[in-house]
Amino acid sequence: SAVISQKPSRDICQRGTSLTIQCQVDSQVTMMFWYRQQPGQSLTLIATANQGSEATYESGFVIDKFPISRPNLTFSTLTVSNMSPEDSSIYLCSVGVTGTGELFFGEGSRLTVL
Amino acid sequence: GENVEQHPSTLSVQEGDSAVIKCTYSDSASNYFPWYKQELGKRPQLIIDIRSNVGEKKDQRIAVTLNKTAKHFSLHITETQPEDSAVYFCAALNTGTASKLTFGTGTRLQVTL
Repeated sequence: SAVISQKPSRDICQRGTSLTIQCQVDSQVTMMFWYRQQPGQSLTLIATANQGSEATYESGFVIDKFPISRPNLTFSTLTVSNMSPEDSSIYLCSVGVTGTGELFFGEGSRLTVL
Repeated sequence: GENVEQHPSTLSVQEGDSAVIKCTYSDSASNYFPWYKQELGKRPQLIIDIRSNVGEKKDQRIAVTLNKTAKHFSLHITETQPEDSAVYFCAALNTGTASKLTFGTGTRLQVTL
Protein backbone atom coordinates (compact mmCIF):
# COMPACT_ATOMS: atom_id res chain seq x y z
CA SER A 1 0.00 0.00 0.00
CA ALA A 2 1.01 3.63 -0.49
CA VAL A 3 2.92 5.52 2.17
CA ILE A 4 0.81 8.48 3.31
CA SER A 5 2.51 11.30 5.20
CA GLN A 6 0.66 14.05 6.98
CA LYS A 7 1.87 17.18 8.65
CA PRO A 8 1.61 18.64 11.14
CA SER A 9 1.08 15.59 13.32
CA ARG A 10 -0.37 17.83 16.00
CA ASP A 11 -0.91 21.49 16.69
CA ILE A 12 -2.45 23.79 19.22
CA CYS A 13 -4.20 26.78 17.71
CA GLN A 14 -5.99 29.86 18.86
CA ARG A 15 -9.65 30.47 18.22
CA GLY A 16 -10.30 32.36 14.99
CA THR A 17 -7.13 31.28 13.22
CA SER A 18 -6.74 28.85 10.32
CA LEU A 19 -4.50 25.83 9.90
CA THR A 20 -3.52 23.95 6.77
CA ILE A 21 -2.80 20.23 6.90
CA GLN A 22 -0.71 18.65 4.20
CA CYS A 23 -0.95 15.11 2.86
CA GLN A 24 1.75 13.59 0.67
CA VAL A 25 1.51 10.15 -0.94
CA ASP A 26 4.53 8.32 -2.31
CA SER A 27 2.72 7.22 -5.46
CA GLN A 28 0.06 8.61 -7.73
CA VAL A 29 -3.44 7.89 -6.50
CA THR A 30 -6.78 8.76 -8.00
CA MET A 31 -8.87 8.76 -4.85
CA MET A 32 -7.98 10.94 -1.87
CA PHE A 33 -10.26 11.77 0.99
CA TRP A 34 -10.26 13.81 4.18
CA TYR A 35 -11.87 12.45 7.34
CA ARG A 36 -12.50 13.92 10.76
CA GLN A 37 -12.46 11.91 13.95
CA GLN A 38 -13.77 13.75 16.96
CA PRO A 39 -12.63 12.53 20.40
CA GLY A 40 -13.92 9.03 21.08
CA GLN A 41 -15.95 9.00 17.88
CA SER A 42 -16.01 7.24 14.55
CA LEU A 43 -14.66 8.45 11.24
CA THR A 44 -16.65 11.06 9.33
CA LEU A 45 -15.92 11.88 5.72
CA ILE A 46 -15.41 15.59 5.15
CA ALA A 47 -14.82 15.57 1.41
CA THR A 48 -13.33 13.84 -1.58
CA ALA A 49 -10.29 15.70 -2.91
CA ASN A 50 -10.56 15.83 -6.69
CA GLN A 51 -7.46 16.46 -8.76
CA GLY A 52 -7.90 19.49 -10.96
CA SER A 53 -11.38 20.39 -9.75
CA GLU A 54 -13.27 21.45 -6.65
CA ALA A 55 -13.57 18.97 -3.82
CA THR A 56 -16.84 17.14 -3.25
CA TYR A 57 -18.12 17.89 0.25
CA GLU A 58 -20.34 15.72 2.42
CA SER A 59 -23.45 17.01 4.10
CA GLY A 60 -22.56 19.32 6.95
CA PHE A 61 -19.19 20.39 5.55
CA VAL A 62 -18.66 23.46 3.38
CA ILE A 63 -15.83 24.79 1.29
CA ASP A 64 -15.57 28.08 3.17
CA LYS A 65 -14.83 26.24 6.40
CA PHE A 66 -12.76 23.38 4.98
CA PRO A 67 -11.10 24.47 1.72
CA ILE A 68 -9.25 21.63 0.04
CA SER A 69 -6.60 21.68 -2.65
CA ARG A 70 -5.48 18.79 -4.85
CA PRO A 71 -2.91 20.13 -7.30
CA ASN A 72 -1.69 16.71 -8.44
CA LEU A 73 -2.14 12.98 -7.87
CA THR A 74 0.24 12.78 -4.89
CA PHE A 75 -0.61 15.80 -2.75
CA SER A 76 -3.56 17.45 -1.05
CA THR A 77 -4.18 20.03 1.64
CA LEU A 78 -7.06 20.62 4.00
CA THR A 79 -7.48 23.97 5.69
CA VAL A 80 -9.57 24.36 8.81
CA SER A 81 -10.68 27.99 8.75
CA ASN A 82 -11.75 30.35 11.51
CA MET A 83 -11.28 27.64 14.08
CA SER A 84 -13.34 27.19 17.22
CA PRO A 85 -12.89 24.68 20.06
CA GLU A 86 -15.49 22.45 18.35
CA ASP A 87 -12.96 21.91 15.55
CA SER A 88 -10.64 20.10 17.96
CA SER A 89 -10.33 16.70 16.30
CA ILE A 90 -8.04 14.37 14.47
CA TYR A 91 -8.02 15.04 10.74
CA LEU A 92 -7.06 12.10 8.58
CA CYS A 93 -6.00 11.98 4.97
CA SER A 94 -6.81 8.74 3.20
CA VAL A 95 -6.30 7.17 -0.19
CA GLY A 96 -8.50 4.64 -1.92
CA VAL A 97 -7.49 1.82 -4.21
CA THR A 98 -9.53 2.23 -7.38
CA GLY A 99 -12.11 -0.46 -7.92
CA THR A 100 -11.45 -2.37 -4.71
CA GLY A 101 -12.90 -0.19 -1.97
CA GLU A 102 -9.73 -0.50 0.09
CA LEU A 103 -8.93 2.64 2.02
CA PHE A 104 -5.67 3.52 3.77
CA PHE A 105 -5.09 6.32 6.24
CA GLY A 106 -2.33 8.76 7.01
CA GLU A 107 -1.08 9.15 10.56
CA GLY A 108 -3.56 11.91 11.27
CA SER A 109 -3.23 15.49 12.45
CA ARG A 110 -4.40 16.11 16.01
CA LEU A 111 -5.73 19.63 16.27
CA THR A 112 -6.52 21.36 19.55
CA VAL A 113 -8.23 24.74 19.45
CA LEU A 114 -8.08 26.89 22.56
CA GLY B 1 -27.66 6.21 1.98
CA GLU B 2 -25.92 3.38 3.78
CA ASN B 3 -26.26 3.06 7.55
CA VAL B 4 -23.96 0.80 9.57
CA GLU B 5 -24.69 -0.16 13.15
CA GLN B 6 -22.04 -1.77 15.33
CA HIS B 7 -22.30 -3.64 18.63
CA PRO B 8 -21.15 -3.74 21.33
CA SER B 9 -19.64 -0.33 21.93
CA THR B 10 -17.27 -1.78 24.52
CA LEU B 11 -16.10 -5.34 25.04
CA SER B 12 -13.86 -6.74 27.74
CA VAL B 13 -12.46 -10.26 27.48
CA GLN B 14 -9.81 -12.21 29.28
CA GLU B 15 -6.63 -13.07 27.47
CA GLY B 16 -7.09 -16.27 25.51
CA ASP B 17 -10.84 -15.90 25.15
CA SER B 18 -12.63 -15.08 21.89
CA ALA B 19 -14.15 -11.74 20.98
CA VAL B 20 -17.00 -11.13 18.54
CA ILE B 21 -18.06 -7.76 17.15
CA LYS B 22 -21.20 -7.48 15.05
CA CYS B 23 -22.32 -5.01 12.41
CA THR B 24 -25.48 -4.58 10.38
CA TYR B 25 -25.89 -2.57 7.21
CA SER B 26 -28.92 -1.16 5.46
CA ASP B 27 -28.03 -1.01 1.75
CA SER B 28 -28.41 -4.42 0.12
CA ALA B 29 -26.20 -3.21 -2.74
CA SER B 30 -23.16 -2.92 -0.47
CA ASN B 31 -20.58 -5.50 -1.48
CA TYR B 32 -17.39 -4.67 0.40
CA PHE B 33 -17.00 -4.90 4.17
CA PRO B 34 -13.66 -3.96 5.76
CA TRP B 35 -12.61 -3.96 9.38
CA TYR B 36 -10.19 -1.43 10.83
CA LYS B 37 -8.19 -1.56 14.05
CA GLN B 38 -7.19 1.70 15.70
CA GLU B 39 -4.75 1.58 18.57
CA LEU B 40 -4.60 4.52 20.92
CA GLY B 41 -3.06 7.53 19.20
CA LYS B 42 -2.57 5.66 15.94
CA ARG B 43 -4.19 5.66 12.53
CA PRO B 44 -6.95 3.18 11.64
CA GLN B 45 -5.44 0.16 9.94
CA LEU B 46 -7.20 -2.27 7.64
CA ILE B 47 -6.94 -5.70 9.22
CA ILE B 48 -9.33 -7.83 7.17
CA ASP B 49 -12.09 -7.40 4.64
CA ILE B 50 -14.74 -9.51 2.97
CA ARG B 51 -16.60 -9.15 -0.30
CA SER B 52 -20.16 -10.20 -0.95
CA ASN B 53 -19.21 -13.23 -3.01
CA VAL B 54 -17.90 -15.12 0.03
CA GLY B 55 -19.38 -15.96 3.41
CA GLU B 56 -16.27 -16.22 5.53
CA LYS B 57 -12.63 -15.21 5.45
CA LYS B 58 -9.87 -16.06 7.92
CA ASP B 59 -6.43 -14.67 8.57
CA GLN B 60 -4.67 -16.39 11.47
CA ARG B 61 -6.57 -15.45 14.63
CA ILE B 62 -9.09 -13.17 12.98
CA ALA B 63 -12.05 -14.08 10.80
CA VAL B 64 -14.97 -12.26 9.31
CA THR B 65 -18.34 -13.73 8.41
CA LEU B 66 -20.99 -12.23 6.17
CA ASN B 67 -24.71 -12.96 5.99
CA LYS B 68 -26.05 -11.10 2.97
CA THR B 69 -29.62 -12.16 3.55
CA ALA B 70 -29.68 -10.73 7.04
CA LYS B 71 -27.33 -7.88 6.08
CA HIS B 72 -24.93 -8.41 8.89
CA PHE B 73 -21.27 -9.24 9.24
CA SER B 74 -19.07 -10.05 12.20
CA LEU B 75 -15.45 -9.96 13.28
CA HIS B 76 -14.16 -12.89 15.30
CA ILE B 77 -10.88 -12.78 17.18
CA THR B 78 -9.72 -16.02 18.77
CA GLU B 79 -7.08 -16.53 21.46
CA THR B 80 -7.09 -12.84 22.25
CA GLN B 81 -3.88 -11.18 23.36
CA PRO B 82 -3.25 -7.84 25.13
CA GLU B 83 -2.05 -6.33 21.83
CA ASP B 84 -5.55 -6.91 20.42
CA SER B 85 -6.77 -4.13 22.73
CA ALA B 86 -7.91 -1.31 20.44
CA VAL B 87 -10.96 0.27 18.87
CA TYR B 88 -12.36 -1.71 15.96
CA PHE B 89 -14.47 -0.17 13.20
CA CYS B 90 -16.55 -1.99 10.63
CA ALA B 91 -17.54 -0.36 7.36
CA ALA B 92 -19.58 -0.99 4.24
CA LEU B 93 -19.36 0.15 0.64
CA ASN B 94 -20.96 -0.41 -2.75
CA THR B 95 -17.87 -0.50 -4.97
CA GLY B 96 -20.03 -0.32 -8.07
CA THR B 97 -21.21 3.19 -7.37
CA ALA B 98 -17.89 4.30 -5.84
CA SER B 99 -19.91 5.69 -2.96
CA LYS B 100 -18.25 6.60 0.29
CA LEU B 101 -17.16 4.05 2.86
CA THR B 102 -19.64 4.20 5.73
CA PHE B 103 -18.18 3.39 9.13
CA GLY B 104 -19.77 1.88 12.20
CA THR B 105 -19.53 3.63 15.54
CA GLY B 106 -16.65 1.51 16.80
CA THR B 107 -16.05 -1.11 19.49
CA ARG B 108 -13.48 -0.60 22.20
CA LEU B 109 -11.97 -4.02 22.94
CA GLN B 110 -10.06 -4.48 26.17
CA VAL B 111 -8.14 -7.71 26.65
CA THR B 112 -7.33 -8.25 30.31
CA LEU B 113 -4.63 -10.48 31.73
